[in-house]
This record gives sequence, C-alpha cells and structure tokens, in this order.
Amino acid sequence: AQSVAQPEDQVNVAEGNPLTVKCTYSVSGNPYLFWYVQYPNRGLQFLLKYITGDNLVKGSYGFEAEFNKSQTSFHLKKPSALVSDSALYFCAVSAFYGNNRLAFGKGNQVVVIP
Amino acid sequence: KAGVTQTPRYLIKTRGQQVTLSCSPISGHRSVSWYQQTPGQGLQFLFEYFSETQRNKGNFPGRFSGRQFSNSRSEMNVSTLELGDSALYLCASSLRMKRGTSTDTQYFGPGTRLTVL
Repeated sequence: AQSVAQPEDQVNVAEGNPLTVKCTYSVSGNPYLFWYVQYPNRGLQFLLKYITGDNLVKGSYGFEAEFNKSQTSFHLKKPSALVSDSALYFCAVSAFYGNNRLAFGKGNQVVVIP
Repeated sequence: KAGVTQTPRYLIKTRGQQVTLSCSPISGHRSVSWYQQTPGQGLQFLFEYFSETQRNKGNFPGRFSGRQFSNSRSEMNVSTLELGDSALYLCASSLRMKRGTSTDTQYFGPGTRLTVL
C-alpha cells in the first residue's frame, strides 16, 4: 500500500526566508505525487503535482517541488516565504494504475513569522 | 468555472441518527471521491465514484455508503452515527477522461463539518 511521511509537525520560517516542507513516500510502482494546502475552515487547495518528466515541478503561488527517486522524496519549496503562506500543507501519493485514491501525509503546519 | 460545492457546510446530529452529505463536482468532471479528515487519523479515503459506479473503497465500515447520479453529483450517507464519525468530510472531483489513470488532479470542496453528539 502507498504511504506518505511528513516528519515535521510544524515548520517556522521568517518572512522572506526560503521555505521547505519535507515529504517522503513509499509505493509500489511509479509514484504520482501531489501537494495541497489547507487554510482554516477550508478544503484542500491544489499546489502542484509530479507525474513524470522533469524532477523539478513548478506550481501555484511561487511553490515548487523536487522529486528525488533515490531518496523517495518530494520536498515542497518556496524561495521567499510570505505571511500569507501560513497554513497546513499536505503531501499525497497515488500509485496504482486505475486507482484514483490519494494517500495523504499527516500534514505540516507552516508558520511564517513577520 | 465554479469549484466543487458541498452542502450542508455544517451539521450537528446525535448518535444513532443517519446523515446525507451532498457534493456537486466541477462542471465536466466525472469522478467524485470522498475523504474523511479528523485530528487523530488525518485524511482518509472513503470511496470514489465514476460513471455512477463505486470504483474504489477505503477501509470504512458498511455504515458509510455513497452514490453518484447521472449528472456526476454525489451523495454520501452515514447510518447509525457514532461519536467517532465527527469529522470534516471532503469531496473531490477530477476529470477522469482516461480510464485507468491515476494522474488526474483532484480538486476539493470546502467540506462538511459533521458533529455527532
């Protein structure tokens, strides 16, 4: 079965500094990886996904993620964090051909300090 | 284009009752998936519907069921509610134009917050 690990509960970063949210995955076969963000009392908002091709994926709001097959990682990055980036971030993996089922990590709370 | 809509947004029920939640997908999307979000268990997959048929099911008891209509709108039902069913229930829709793909982006609605007393 596929699974995702997000090792840190909370990530604190100063506004303007680089932001990194870590994610590692476990899956049989090719991984399809996604990042979502959740603001309070809201649903999940899609940021970016990796399907195949270039290991560096660019997404919405200046976010990007790097796929590393040897380390089974898919870390989310942003060069310069904004206070408005403070939210809950989820990494997810879908693996089986024909299966639209996403397995989510527990989420990382990102706090951007002004 | 309008996003995924879910009704109602908030619901309070008592143990033993049943509840029906509704989800309208993005126009043109054919697949609807349901997820349960709780502080303890995080986000867990409930089931997926495509072409009015349940395609995948997560590890939830039979009290959790759903259906999809010909216009792709979906409902999920929870019977004999338990305290542990209190959660945010999220619906997600995706295109699913290619049969058998796992790469479609799922777009989520705002969720229905269910509280069981």
